[in-house]
Amino acid sequence: QVQLVESGGGVVQPGRSLRLSCAASGFTFSSYAMHWVRQAPGKGLEWVALITYDGINKYFADSVKGRFTISRDNSKNTVYLQMNSLRAEDTAVYYCARDRVVFPTGALGYWGQGSLVTVSS
Amino acid sequence: QSALTQPPSASGSPGQSVTISCSGTSRDVGGYNYVSWYQQLPGKAPKLMIYEVTKRPSGVPDRFSGSKSGNTASLTVSGLQAEDEADYYCSLYAGSNNFFGSGTKVTVL
Repeated sequence: QVQLVESGGGVVQPGRSLRLSCAASGFTFSSYAMHWVRQAPGKGLEWVALITYDGINKYFADSVKGRFTISRDNSKNTVYLQMNSLRAEDTAVYYCARDRVVFPTGALGYWGQGSLVTVSS
Repeated sequence: QSALTQPPSASGSPGQSVTISCSGTSRDVGGYNYVSWYQQLPGKAPKLMIYEVTKRPSGVPDRFSGSKSGNTASLTVSGLQAEDEADYYCSLYAGSNNFFGSGTKVTVL
């Protein structure tokens, strides 16, 4: 079965960096686009980033553009979110998610359990 | 950045129906059919309930249905059950961007 497991969260000071990982299993990872979505405490969902199946195309929300990067290693079935210049407002649970089907439609049928990132001095 | 507007709350008694709206513009909801709906229980990851406006993933009860008229998409939950009490989010995929609505808390009275 499809499994997505995030790791790398924790407490970090403002201005510092952190890298999240999402290990995938149970499907042909190299065929699917992958997303990161976050949720601040007590708030709604916010889409963060998308990387296509081949890692060539990457898209970001305006709120993280220029600070966050997304990458993937298809040999390791893992997608990454590199977060630089972190701010207090980046504090959130970060989920990785996969589209239902190979052709991306934004229908995120599979989600990880989430990884909490807290930005605080 | 697109803004998809949902009512903050909705409620109904068991067995009744509740409809949640997701309002946008002709540049987003009105222009694309990649509208999805998610259910989120407290402390859990979201669950896909509807995709491409009207389609249900396998395993989602047929009490859940989606529709769209103009710039507004809607999720209807018929025959409300206690386990339907949750937060619901619409989302729109527009190629290089993915937007979520503000979320609606559904209460079963």
